[in-house]
Amino acid sequence: QVHLQESGPGLVKPSETLSLNCIVSGYSISSGNFWGWIRQPPGKGLEWIGSIYHSGSTYYKSSLESRVTISLDTPKNQFSLKLTSVTAADTAVYYCARIPSGGPDYWGQGTLVTVSS
Amino acid sequence: DIQMTQSPSSLSASVGDRVTITCRASQSISTYLNWYQQKPGKAPKLLIYGASSLQSGVPARFSGSGSGTDFTLTINSLQPEDFATYYCLQSFSSPPITFGQGTRLDIK
Repeated sequence: QVHLQESGPGLVKPSETLSLNCIVSGYSISSGNFWGWIRQPPGKGLEWIGSIYHSGSTYYKSSLESRVTISLDTPKNQFSLKLTSVTAADTAVYYCARIPSGGPDYWGQGTLVTVSS
Repeated sequence: DIQMTQSPSSLSASVGDRVTITCRASQSISTYLNWYQQKPGKAPKLLIYGASSLQSGVPARFSGSGSGTDFTLTINSLQPEDFATYYCLQSFSSPPITFGQGTRLDIK
């Protein structure tokens, strides 16, 4: 069974960088598939942030592309998200997910990140 | 990017009812359409993939149909545990993928 678990600070100051990790168990991220991040502001819908292929190729939502970096750490079987210059609008539950060609199938439980001074 | 429009945004129904939620894509996406169920405080759960294939373990009262631009999720004989928010998602252009805005299903 594939299991994903997000980790990282729950509070980030405005203008700083949000950093999250997603550790994967039950599947080697180097074996294949896209891996990605999806977020959900409180009380709102789901928004895809970006994906990384097992080869390292990355794809980002166009409106976030200038601030987002997703990277792999294959020895640790994890991948990460960095979002720079955050504002209150970046406050959300952040999910990591396995994203095969047919769309996300396995999700982490999500982690709330609040942007506030 | 491909836009996904769900309707209605919310609906109320009773246990035992049959409900239908629709999703329209801004361009043809063949059958690259998934449906997810999300309960408060939980990650979304995959219900239907490829527009009409039932994910393993999902009750048969859930069904999906459609192709091209118009899709439906039908829930027959609503159960108490079905009251949740439902999202469609297109993966035709993956990546990027795009979600519908969600449909909140409440108990009447």
